[in-house]
Amino acid sequence: EVQLVESGGGLVQPGGPLRLSCAVSGFIVSNNYMTWVRQAPGKGLEWVSLIYIDGSAIYADSVKGRFTISRDTSKNTVSLQINSLRVEDTAVYYCAGGLTRYYLDYWGQGTLVTVSS
Amino acid sequence: EIVLTQSPGTLSLSPGERATLSCRASQSLRSNFLAWYQQKPGQAPSLLIHDASTRATGIPDRFSGSGSGTDFTLTITRLEPEDFAVYYCQQYGSSPRVLTFGGGTKVEIK
Repeated sequence: EVQLVESGGGLVQPGGPLRLSCAVSGFIVSNNYMTWVRQAPGKGLEWVSLIYIDGSAIYADSVKGRFTISRDTSKNTVSLQINSLRVEDTAVYYCAGGLTRYYLDYWGQGTLVTVSS
Repeated sequence: EIVLTQSPGTLSLSPGERATLSCRASQSLRSNFLAWYQQKPGQAPSLLIHDASTRATGIPDRFSGSGSGTDFTLTITRLEPEDFAVYYCQQYGSSPRVLTFGGGTKVEIK
């Protein structure tokens, strides 16, 4: 059974860093395309970042330069390092992935990040 | 960069009725790489349709996707109580390389 479990969310002050993790079971992270998607309270889905099978990554313009996606093959996890947090980064962050970059087969339940002073 | 526009924003229907949701792309999608997701309150999204018309594993056949180029449709032939949710379309673009979601359509009980 495939499971994605996010962790690391919480209340953070503006300007601070945060690291989100996604523990995956049921498939090998390095053989799949892994993505982070966020959803601000009461809003729609916003794509954040994708890491390709070859390890390269792409980012939404809204997070470029502040967010870094990575993976740990030994732990079968994907992480999102967030720096210089802004109030507008407040959202539920979902980890998702699958065998193709074109759509997202599997999703975690999300972790809430609240940026507030 | 391709923009996906979903309409209507909200669809008010009764169980048993047919739902037709639209997703329009600002440019023609290469190879119809369009997906649809369902999101119920308090839950993560789940994949319904990929490649414009292929149902994901376990998705009942009352859900169907169609369309090509810039105009895509998700149809739910007979709404079941569990189908009342928000639906999003999504595409992957190769130039520039980005994923894009539509703004969503909420299907609510009339």
